[in-house]
This record gives sequence, C-alpha cells and structure tokens, in this order.
Amino acid sequence: DAKTTQPPSMDCAEGRAANLPCNHSTISGNEYVYWYRQIHSQGPQYIIHGLKNNETNEMASLIITEDRKSSTLILPHATLRDTAVYYCIVRAAGRQGAQKLVFGQGTRLTINP
Amino acid sequence: GAVVSQHPSWVICKSGTSVKIECRSLDFQATTMFWYRQFPKQSLMLMATSNEGSKATYEQGVEKDKFLINHASLTLSTLTVTSAHPEDSSFYICSAPVASGSHTQYFGPGTRLTVL
Repeated sequence: DAKTTQPPSMDCAEGRAANLPCNHSTISGNEYVYWYRQIHSQGPQYIIHGLKNNETNEMASLIITEDRKSSTLILPHATLRDTAVYYCIVRAAGRQGAQKLVFGQGTRLTINP
Repeated sequence: GAVVSQHPSWVICKSGTSVKIECRSLDFQATTMFWYRQFPKQSLMLMATSNEGSKATYEQGVEKDKFLINHASLTLSTLTVTSAHPEDSSFYICSAPVASGSHTQYFGPGTRLTVL
C-alpha cells in the first residue's frame, strides 16, 4: 500500500474550516484514499474515502488532486469535539487481504475555542 | 451505523497471568476482524487478522503463541495475551469491515491492559 505523509500537528479555531493535507505521491490507480480519526482513548472512526472524485458526506469533504498524489480533508465548521488525531490511509479495496488498514502517525488536530 | 464492542474496557493483571479480550460485531457478521495495539502517544499497529473458522494471520514480529486469536463465530473474535508482562501493557483495539470488500471498517472502543 502507498505511503502517506501528514503534518504531525495542526491548530484550528472553533467554527472555522479545518483543512488537513495528505501526500500520497506513490498511490496506484486502484488505491483509495481513506480518512479515519481517533479521539483520545477511543477506537478510530471512519470519516470518508475517495478514489478520484471529490467526496462529501455529513462529516467532511475530501478533495483529491487531479494527479491523485495528494488530498485534503476538510471539516467545514470545526467544533471542539473534532479535536483528534486524523489518519490518511491509502490502500486498494475489493480484495480480502487488502482490507487491513495500516496507520501512519497522522495529524493531531486541535480545535481552539 | 454498525457497532463493534470490546470487553473488558480495561483490565489490570499481574505479570505472568493470561488475559482474554473479546471483540464483538453487534449488528453485522464479520468473517474478518483485525487486532491492533497502540502504545501511548503512538499510532495503531496492526497485530493480526482474525479469520472466522480458520487460523489468524499475524503481522511480522508478532508472536502467535503469545497473542492467541480465536474467531469461533461470525460475531466474536477473542485475543488472549498469554503470560502477560509489563511491556504488554497497551491499548488493544479491534476492527471489522461491515462486509467483505467494504470500504468502511468499524472499530471497537478499545481495551486498556495494564500488567503489573
């Protein structure tokens, strides 16, 4: 699976949009970009995923560059409860053995009041 | 959404004893579950893939005789830490995809193991 690079930490003011970048320059054509987050002392939570097109759900938006070598997770109106470690993961889907997720160090996002 | 539970949520044990951690999928069947370990201020490390009705697949460097995994039903996987030592103290988390090939995995709330 392709390796990802994320900034170790970011700060964002409450109510503002939080934009979390992820580089995945070695991504393959069949690999998806997944975002999970982990609030302190809890299990990770799925946020969103995408292949080529931008995606949006009730939690966030995912913007993937045209060359697919990087992406940005956007939390449109960050709240204090969004303080967590955010993980960007790239992996192929559809194969049984490929379902395992390999976590990098992630980005520790702190939302400030 | 789908729910994965773990039991216990925390456990303290003496060195040399064995500890069993349960992972259950509450509203879906999981032929595959994954076990992770997380040390303080570190990321999750995948330990093994638990397969219903067959042997677990362990990641490199994880001792299969120390971390026994049993996946006897489609809703339950257990991880037993045998002869636990203080260095095994960690946060153990399981996960399961909703269906084979699903894009979404659901994680349990984790079990904090402290070995004295």
